[in-house]
Amino acid sequence: DQQVKQNSPSLSVQEGRISILNCDYTNSMFDYFLWYKKYPAEGPTFLISISSIKDKNEDGRFTVFLNKSAKHLSLHIVPSQPGDSAVYFCAASATGNTGKLIFGQGTTLQVKP
Amino acid sequence: KAGVTQTPRYLIKTRGQQVTLSCSPISGHRSVSWYQQTPGQGLQFLFEYFSETQRNKGNFPGRFSGRQFSNSRSEMNVSTLELGDSALYLCASSLRWGNYEQYFGPGTRLTVT
Repeated sequence: DQQVKQNSPSLSVQEGRISILNCDYTNSMFDYFLWYKKYPAEGPTFLISISSIKDKNEDGRFTVFLNKSAKHLSLHIVPSQPGDSAVYFCAASATGNTGKLIFGQGTTLQVKP
Repeated sequence: KAGVTQTPRYLIKTRGQQVTLSCSPISGHRSVSWYQQTPGQGLQFLFEYFSETQRNKGNFPGRFSGRQFSNSRSEMNVSTLELGDSALYLCASSLRWGNYEQYFGPGTRLTVT
């Protein structure tokens, strides 16, 4: 049972445009969500996170939106740059299980120059 | 500040052998989690340690074990290796237990032949 789902395996975007990566979850106990970026042969790099008490969090070019009623979150990257090309993972955790991140399957983003 | 380090980076073992992987967290971080990444199952949580105690465990057989030392360094051990154990093993550290943001090391690529 996949509790965190990233339904788009890949996404291709033109440089300078917006990239929108989506993530859905099923477990209503999740109260903290994170996005990680991963390059080949490297570990995931933490990008941005959001608590369930918020519906938006921004950090530079990265914004995460959370829709609790739809159990959906999205990561917006504006403007997209070729260096953003990587695999993006959505992850979730719950109070009392904070050390246990549940990951989605990842979305491969390609930003074309 | 140095990131999470993992040794060795690559390892080839034969079925039936055992293996020990090592992780040094970011200086000052006291919680360490381990994950297994495979193409089929994605990133899956193995266990979490804080103050030398296992705080959380994923759904892996007892062949997978770990420990944490007083300096927060951690090791994981896999006994009686199976072909299916071939994976990237990732260690992540966080400041303390209950802290959601985890920072990953580069991983150890284990190949079982």
